Amino acid sequence: AQSVTQPDIHITVSEGASLELRCNYSYGATPYLFWYVQSPGQGLQLLLKYFSGDTLVQGIKGFEAEFKRSQSSFNLRKPSVHWSDAAEYFCAVGWPGGFKTIFGAGTRLFVKA
Amino acid sequence: EAGVTQSPTHLIKTRGQQATLRCSPISGHTSVYWYQQALGLGLQFLLWYDEGEERNRGNFPPRFSGRQFPNYSSELNVNALELEDSALYLCASSYSQGNTIYFGEGSWLTVV
Repeated sequence: AQSVTQPDIHITVSEGASLELRCNYSYGATPYLFWYVQSPGQGLQLLLKYFSGDTLVQGIKGFEAEFKRSQSSFNLRKPSVHWSDAAEYFCAVGWPGGFKTIFGAGTRLFVKA
Repeated sequence: EAGVTQSPTHLIKTRGQQATLRCSPISGHTSVYWYQQALGLGLQFLLWYDEGEERNRGNFPPRFSGRQFPNYSSELNVNALELEDSALYLCASSYSQGNTIYFGEGSWLTVV
């Protein structure tokens, strides 16, 4: 069965430090891959997506993600974290033709001063 | 361009009552998805509507139902409310069977 795993339930980083959030998926072919962010009490905002082509994808708010087929991973990175980045981050997979998108359990990011 | 809009923002109901939540998709989008996000349980897929028809349903009891109107807006109905129905209900939309879904801000349902 298809699945998305975010191994880290929560991560704490210092403001200005780099960030990497992990995401692994289980699927026979390369799915469409997404990262969303959810600030407390709000909906999910799309940060970036990968469909095909260049495996390094740039998103909004200075985030990027790299697709690695050999590792079935799609990790999210940011070189310098800001306090406003504190939120929950969801990795998701979809595939051509529609059907529901599958979300990971989320990683809560805490940013310390 | 307006995003996905949901109403009401907050709703408080008594156990056993019915709740109705509404969603307007992004203009041009014909698929609407409903998710439940209860505390500690992550995002749980509820329903998917496309072109006015229910296309898929998550693992929820029949008292969770909905519909999609000709203008592609949608409503989610929850009957015989239980305390554990308290959650953030998120609506999302996409082009018909599209690959990228966009979320609204959600509707908070509290059952007391």
